[in-house]
Amino acid sequence: QKEVEQDPGPLSVPEGAIVSLNCTYSNSAFQYFMWYRQYSRKGPELLMYTYSSGNKEDGRFTAQVDKSSKYISLFIRDSQPSDSATYLCAMSAEGAQKLVFGQGTRLTINP
Amino acid sequence: GAVVSQHPSRVICKSGTSVKIECRSLDFQATTMFWYRQFPKQSLMLMATSNEGSKATYEQGVEKDKFLINHASLTLSTLTVTSAHPEDSSFYICSAKGTSGGKAHEQFFGPGTRLTVL
Repeated sequence: QKEVEQDPGPLSVPEGAIVSLNCTYSNSAFQYFMWYRQYSRKGPELLMYTYSSGNKEDGRFTAQVDKSSKYISLFIRDSQPSDSATYLCAMSAEGAQKLVFGQGTRLTINP
Repeated sequence: GAVVSQHPSRVICKSGTSVKIECRSLDFQATTMFWYRQFPKQSLMLMATSNEGSKATYEQGVEKDKFLINHASLTLSTLTVTSAHPEDSSFYICSAKGTSGGKAHEQFFGPGTRLTVL
C-alpha cells in the first residue's frame, strides 16, 4: 500500500465549476499537508499547506485536513482555464525533511 | 519568491553515455537540495538528499554509483547519470531549501530536466 493515494484522473470540468481534489494517506505521523500545482514540463509550485487538522482558505482555494479519516481535500471555486494543471498532494512528518507525494490529479478546466 | 534553475531543460543522449544535470539556487543559499524523478503520469519520487559539503543520502533502491550527486557550493548541486540506459529516461527535478532545519515544504522546485536515452 502506498503511503499517499491520489486518484490520477484525468478530471475535466467546465469553467466556473467547483473542483474537489482528494488524497488519502496511511502514515499517522504526517503533520504537514501540502498541495502543489504542476504545469506541463514544469516543476511543482506550492499552493497551500496546512498543519495538522482543519481548514485553510486562500482566495479561490480551500484546503481541508481530516486526520481522523486520514483524508485531505483541495477545493477550487470559480475554476478558470488557467487552473488546468496537475495537482499533487504531499505530506511530511514533524521534523522531517522529506516530502511524500501523491500520484497527482490531472485537471482540465474547459472554457 | 526563491528561484531555482536547472540546466539543461532537455537532453537526449545515447545509451552508455553520462549526463550531468545542474541545479542552482539563484537568489538564496541552499543548505539542502533534493533530487526527484518523475515518470509520465507518476508522482515525484525522492532519489536523494544532499547537504552542502557532505555526501548525499540516497533513498532505498536508488543506486548511488549510477546517480552521482555533488553539492559543492551553497548555490549548486549536480546530478550525473552515469552509463545511462533507456530505462533512465525520465523527468528529473531538483529542489532547494535555504535553511538546514525548517519544514519539509519550505523547499523550492526547479523547472525540471527531461532526459531521453536512446
